[in-house]
Amino acid sequence: QQPVQSPQAVILREGEDAVINCSSSKALYSVHWYRQKHGEAPVFLMILLKGGEQKGHEKISASFNEKKQQSSLYLTASQLSYSGTYFCGTPKTGANNLFFGTGTRLTVIP
Amino acid sequence: NAGVTQTPKFRILKIGQSMTLQCAQDMNHNYMYWYRQDPGMGLKLIYYSVGAGITDKGEVPNGYNVSRSTTEDFPLRLELAAPSQTSVYFCASSSIDRSSYNSPLHFGNGTRLTVT
Repeated sequence: QQPVQSPQAVILREGEDAVINCSSSKALYSVHWYRQKHGEAPVFLMILLKGGEQKGHEKISASFNEKKQQSSLYLTASQLSYSGTYFCGTPKTGANNLFFGTGTRLTVIP
Repeated sequence: NAGVTQTPKFRILKIGQSMTLQCAQDMNHNYMYWYRQDPGMGLKLIYYSVGAGITDKGEVPNGYNVSRSTTEDFPLRLELAAPSQTSVYFCASSSIDRSSYNSPLHFGNGTRLTVT
């Protein structure tokens, strides 16, 4: 049931790009993305509702491929502030009850 | 506007003790959730509620109980604490988008619980 994320961890230099993937063995009807900085609560980034939908948030964007049952998060021209753990989440039912992925730890270094 | 407030921030329990983790939100959200996060791991859903008087189990409900008597409050009860319940507990809330049934979760700052 739990979505699987890849990679588990990635280290970037400032200005580099990264892609984080989220996939599920079951049908995905929507995908949420959150970022959690060390010792803090997760913070909402974006929701993708439909297959083929793409969204952007600053230099962070995401896509949702319903057929492949996966979503990808794109971070371009990374900044130090992008460091943290990124989680995707998918609802099990219509109650918005998210089951979160395994997480991807992103570290941006100068 | 405080958002989601969790108390206490930290707690140490002995095995077999009981406690209630408090969660309150002031955003008039219908939906509320309890998650636990073990060190270096993801978030696991314990229980959730779609409104006052309605609760349902998540992925890992064993050892916990919840109640929802008001829209604002969603306490989590640990009856017989065990070392396996050592974790950080996050409460969250969301509104309901009736067109998509998807809304952002707003998280509290968490309660760090240690059971020894």
